[in-house]
Amino acid sequence: DTAVSQTPKYLVTQMGNDKSIKCEQNLGHDTMYWYKQDSKKFLKIMFSYNNKELIINETVPNRFSPKSPDKAHLNLHINSLELGDSAVYFCASSRFGGRAQYFGPGTRLLVL
Amino acid sequence: QQQVKQSPQSLIVQKGGISIINCAYENTAFDYFPWYQQFPGKGPALLIAIRPDVSEKKEGRFTISFNKSAKQFSLHIMDSQPGDSATYFCAASQQTSNYQLIWGAGTKLIIKP
Repeated sequence: DTAVSQTPKYLVTQMGNDKSIKCEQNLGHDTMYWYKQDSKKFLKIMFSYNNKELIINETVPNRFSPKSPDKAHLNLHINSLELGDSAVYFCASSRFGGRAQYFGPGTRLLVL
Repeated sequence: QQQVKQSPQSLIVQKGGISIINCAYENTAFDYFPWYQQFPGKGPALLIAIRPDVSEKKEGRFTISFNKSAKQFSLHIMDSQPGDSATYFCAASQQTSNYQLIWGAGTKLIIKP
């Protein structure tokens, strides 16, 4: 059973489109994260939710909107996609205070 | 003060050698220092972690050395194998910042057969 899963795995789209990425974890964790990894492999935290409440909200364009319908799911919606949004987006989960974060396989987004 | 500086950016080591990756931090409130390993096309995975009350932690061929006074920690991979070729990230976190991980920039490690 996959611990942290993301869909889709690949996303190729045109500039200006709106897209969503979904994440689910079956580890029983109460905290979930979205990270962006650029072409230089740098990992940047975007958002974190604990028990469906936003606890980390880094400087991210407001075109990015996370949504956590329940503790096991965290989705990311991106409006008006730009070329610079091309990256790999990782979802992760942890137990709050548990320190170890478990990552999904990533969603490779390419904006043309 | 929130930065974690990682070096080198890339590293080539012969099979059987010792790989060493270093990280430095400024924030003395950090209380958890993990290393993550990322293979191409995969998400990062926790490899080993240390808390500042110990100076060394060993798990198999992987060892973290921690120097609290110098605010530095390093990952040592003994008897490096081609299967260890990956990107390695150090990170740090503190309880009072919602345990947010502050990441190093990553080191691409290549083990030559």
